[in-house]
Amino acid sequence: GQQVMQIPQYQHVQEGEDFTTYCNSSTTLSNIQWYKQRPGGHPVFLIQLVKSGEVKKQKRLTFQFGEAKKNSSLHITATQTTDVGTYFCAGPHNNAGNMLTFGGGTRLMVKP
Amino acid sequence: DTGVSQDPRHKITKRGQNVTFRCDPISEHNRLYWYRQTLGQGPEFLTYFQNEAQLEKSRLLSDRFSAERPKGSFSTLEIQRTEQGDSAMYLCASSPGQSNQPQHFGDGTRLSIL
Repeated sequence: GQQVMQIPQYQHVQEGEDFTTYCNSSTTLSNIQWYKQRPGGHPVFLIQLVKSGEVKKQKRLTFQFGEAKKNSSLHITATQTTDVGTYFCAGPHNNAGNMLTFGGGTRLMVKP
Repeated sequence: DTGVSQDPRHKITKRGQNVTFRCDPISEHNRLYWYRQTLGQGPEFLTYFQNEAQLEKSRLLSDRFSAERPKGSFSTLEIQRTEQGDSAMYLCASSPGQSNQPQHFGDGTRLSIL
């Protein structure tokens, strides 16, 4: 079945350092979504990428969708303590509609 | 915007008991999803409704699990004869009727089986 994998599982950074998480799917995706889950909270939608090679920016966050639509990355420039949380990528479950297959997430910890 | 509401927030029960959780989606959202999340893992898809119709069920959803959305608004997820392995956070999400829309998650129900 479809698998979505993320690396690294954990990342500790000093405040101000950059951070990147990588997402790989075993199948080609029609789109990919990114969510953030704060400790003790629920996943919150960040962005959706649809086109091959697409790059989108949200302030210090840069999201990329690979040319083959099988991988994606999230890069945070100059991390802040408010960036703490787990970042998940998710693709359509078996590429069918809205059901999502989530990656295992990358937990980001930021030292002030 | 009241968001997705789940009840209860926490449930502790003994193995073998039945439990039922409720989810109230965002009112104008046609689609409703149930996920299960264990510590350190991403949410795992369980089942999906469009209005009152249950359109997909994961293989994770054993015959002890049943979900309903009788009037196309709130949904319930019931687990019968609970087992230790059912301990998890059960998340509900909703989205508008169009495909590939962002999903809005509730705070979840944390189930602990003694």
